[in-house]
Amino acid sequence: ETGVTQTPRHLVMGMTNKKSLKCEQHLGHNAMYWYKQSAKKPLELMFVYSLEERVENNSVPSRFSPECPNSSHLFLHLHTLQPEDSALYLCASSQDPAGTSGNTIYFGEGSWLTVV
Amino acid sequence: QKEVEQDPGPLSVPEGAIVSLNCTYSNSAFQYFMWYRQYSRKGPELLMYTYSSGNKEDGRFTAQVDKSSKYISLFIRDSQPSDSATYLCARPTYSGNTPLVFGKGTRLSVIA
Repeated sequence: ETGVTQTPRHLVMGMTNKKSLKCEQHLGHNAMYWYKQSAKKPLELMFVYSLEERVENNSVPSRFSPECPNSSHLFLHLHTLQPEDSALYLCASSQDPAGTSGNTIYFGEGSWLTVV
Repeated sequence: QKEVEQDPGPLSVPEGAIVSLNCTYSNSAFQYFMWYRQYSRKGPELLMYTYSSGNKEDGRFTAQVDKSSKYISLFIRDSQPSDSATYLCARPTYSGNTPLVFGKGTRLSVIA
């Protein structure tokens, strides 16, 4: 059991659907992240929120839309995805605001997304 | 930013073997490194945090940094089937808004 909880764990959606991934961290951390993990690729940073403010959008297509209503919750809204978006989406958090050196990143279990 | 270079494997060893997992990095200014372990269909979990000044041992696991060759290694002694996972090394960024850059990970299978 990690301090970062993600739901749903598995999601299958059609290309015209709208769905959302949810993340909650119980660690009192100040930064939260969305990563994408595809086969044979390194972890790709998608979005960074620090102190509830989005500080990085790593050239992610607009069909992915993040939301951070407070320091404990993070959402990833999905709309008109493509089959190549099928991947493991990982939420993570770190104690200090983003950009602080020495930060350890704590990951959730991930949400497996399949786009059909 | 260039990620750390890591052989993706897969690496398959018999139970009880000593495993060596390696990453290379480019900037000698990096002061610490991390190893994460990721079981199948799970998120990565922090396994070890090591400073570039020396080795760190934790049970059957030893993390080692060779600053002269810019090599970081994770050794697993008496490997067990439960060690079968993907191991990711990570280095600090010191810039931007993410603290770490990850390697692609090495998939390890320990066969009973």
